[in-house]
Amino acid sequence: DSGVTQTPKHLITATGQRVTLRCSPRSGDLSVYWYQQSLDQGLQFLIQYYNGEERAKGNILERFSAQQFPDLHSELNLSSLELGDSALYFCASSVLWDRDGYTFGSGTRLTVV
Amino acid sequence: ELKVEQNPLFLSMQEGKNYTIYCNYSTTSDRLYWYRQDPGKSLESLFVLLSNGAVKQEGRLMASLDTKARLSTLHITAAVHDLSATYFCAVDIDNDMRFGAGTRLTVKP
Repeated sequence: DSGVTQTPKHLITATGQRVTLRCSPRSGDLSVYWYQQSLDQGLQFLIQYYNGEERAKGNILERFSAQQFPDLHSELNLSSLELGDSALYFCASSVLWDRDGYTFGSGTRLTVV
Repeated sequence: ELKVEQNPLFLSMQEGKNYTIYCNYSTTSDRLYWYRQDPGKSLESLFVLLSNGAVKQEGRLMASLDTKARLSTLHITAAVHDLSATYFCAVDIDNDMRFGAGTRLTVKP
């Protein structure tokens, strides 16, 4: 157990729907990162939050949004889902300026049918 | 824009052989990471390289960093089946970590 908790582990939903993925960072970590991993796009950085504030944005679609709450857990909201959104979504956490890298959660496998 | 390139992307090895995976990146950075991912699993941190000339070893894996050449290598010595996995390098610029495409390693008996 890495200390980063992601729920749910698996999610199957229909096109056009909206889902919320949840991440609880490792205790003491203030930064949360979201990544999307698909077969054709590899591991893509989506967005980073630090202590509740958005800090960096990657290749995140406008249909996607995220937030980090006061208790530091984070949610990634995916709306108007398309078949191409099917992927593994990873959350990672770190202490800002942590030189040990990120700790990854086990991921949420999203299947859009 | 920071680009991180790994090669090869696919590597099939015989047990007992040696091989090197290369990671090139486009922007100056002194923080480079190697991760391992088993199929369907999460990413596990292997090495953290924080300075030019850094070398770290764990078992049959050894990673090195040349910041001047913007190159890191992951050397596999006497490969065993348990090393079969996908290996990612990642470069950190201002706490924004960008990953290479990954090298899928298969070690055959």
